[in-house]
Amino acid sequence: GDQVEQSPSALSLHEGTGSALRCNFTTTMRAVQWFRKNSRGSLINLFYLASGTKENGRLKSAFDSKERYSTLHIRDAQLEDSGTYFCAGRTGGYKVVFGSGTRLLVSP
Amino acid sequence: GGIITQTPKFLIGQEGQKLTLKCQQNFNHDTMYWYRQDSGKGLRLIYYSITENDLQKGDLSEGYDASREKKSSFSLTVTSAQKNEMAVFLCASRSVGGLDAEQFFGPGTRLTVL
Repeated sequence: GDQVEQSPSALSLHEGTGSALRCNFTTTMRAVQWFRKNSRGSLINLFYLASGTKENGRLKSAFDSKERYSTLHIRDAQLEDSGTYFCAGRTGGYKVVFGSGTRLLVSP
Repeated sequence: GGIITQTPKFLIGQEGQKLTLKCQQNFNHDTMYWYRQDSGKGLRLIYYSITENDLQKGDLSEGYDASREKKSSFSLTVTSAQKNEMAVFLCASRSVGGLDAEQFFGPGTRLTVL
């Protein structure tokens, strides 16, 4: 079946530093969506991409459908960025398949 | 803008009990989804519905029923709660048409079975 491999599963950053999360897809996806789970457990939309890149503040995401991957870059990490980040790939139909999440901890 | 509401926010049940979770959206979206999230795992699709009165099984449909009574609401029933089960159930909706159609999520219902 369709699968999404998300890495790393956990990430620790010091304030002001940055890193990248990555999702590899085993099949071609039409689009990818990135979410952050907030402290109340709700999923917050970060990006939706059908192709190319999008940037919002300190976050930037890229999606390459042909190469079957997407990335989420975080720069100048802040304490409030801590949380669990998920990617989700949308197949040609109505289904969306999720990665297993990356637990990010930003420390002083 | 719109909003997705899920009720109840917390649900405590007994083993073997039938439990119903409700979801409402005012986006006027066509497609609605129910996902289950277990600790340390990604979301898994239980049921989805393309339009009113439509139901499609996801990867995790066994043990669940769903009902799309009208366009704005989508209910999920746990047919027989499993002892010590703990999970968060997330409802989502998405408009249909075009490639650019992101999903929006509700706040979730946290289930605990005693």
